Amino acid sequence: AQSVTQLDSQVPVFEEAPVELRCNYSSSVSVYLFWYVQYPNQGLQLLLKYLSGSTLVKGINGFEAEFNKSQTSFHLRKPSVHISDTAEYFCAVSDGNDYKLSFGAGTTVTVRA
Amino acid sequence: NAGVTQTPKFRVLKTGQSMTLLCAQDMNHEYMYWYRQDPGMGLRLIHYSVGEGTTAKGEVPDGYNVSRLKKQNFLLGLESAAPSQTSVYFCASSYREDTQYFGPGTRLTVL
Repeated sequence: AQSVTQLDSQVPVFEEAPVELRCNYSSSVSVYLFWYVQYPNQGLQLLLKYLSGSTLVKGINGFEAEFNKSQTSFHLRKPSVHISDTAEYFCAVSDGNDYKLSFGAGTTVTVRA
Repeated sequence: NAGVTQTPKFRVLKTGQSMTLLCAQDMNHEYMYWYRQDPGMGLRLIHYSVGEGTTAKGEVPDGYNVSRLKKQNFLLGLESAAPSQTSVYFCASSYREDTQYFGPGTRLTVL
């Protein structure tokens, strides 16, 4: 199984500032990569995913992520955050032949006015 | 479409009691999963199923059992609840290795 490391457990950020959430995984074999968001007291919903193709992936709500195979990373970015982006963000990885996901520990983003 | 639904939303148990959590999906997905979420640990896979009548162990299966008698339902059972099973439980479903769709969660407290 993959090991997934989210390098920041908490990220405070001011409204309209950019944010980057870092994610590294353990294996360089063919992988599928996902970012999920969890708003307070809710389930997880998909922000974006990389299955193949372009390494720059665009998702919902203005988020994007870049797959870097040599660095085994899949960092999430947003150029200008809103108060409503306050949530917990999870990076998840599965091997190409294994549909099971391994999740990182999560990054809590708190957006302040 | 309701997507993935979970019953109940909240439950409090005493140590040693049993209960069953129900997950239902209306997307005709073959694959279904049960996770638990604990602070600072992300989501950990308990059991999963790749089709009706099949189940398999995930990362943290001890103390749990599952059944998938119908394609749309995936049940998680706790035979003898322990305080260590206090957690938030999420069910998910997917079409093979693509996106997993999550339910709203069940918050379980074991006293």
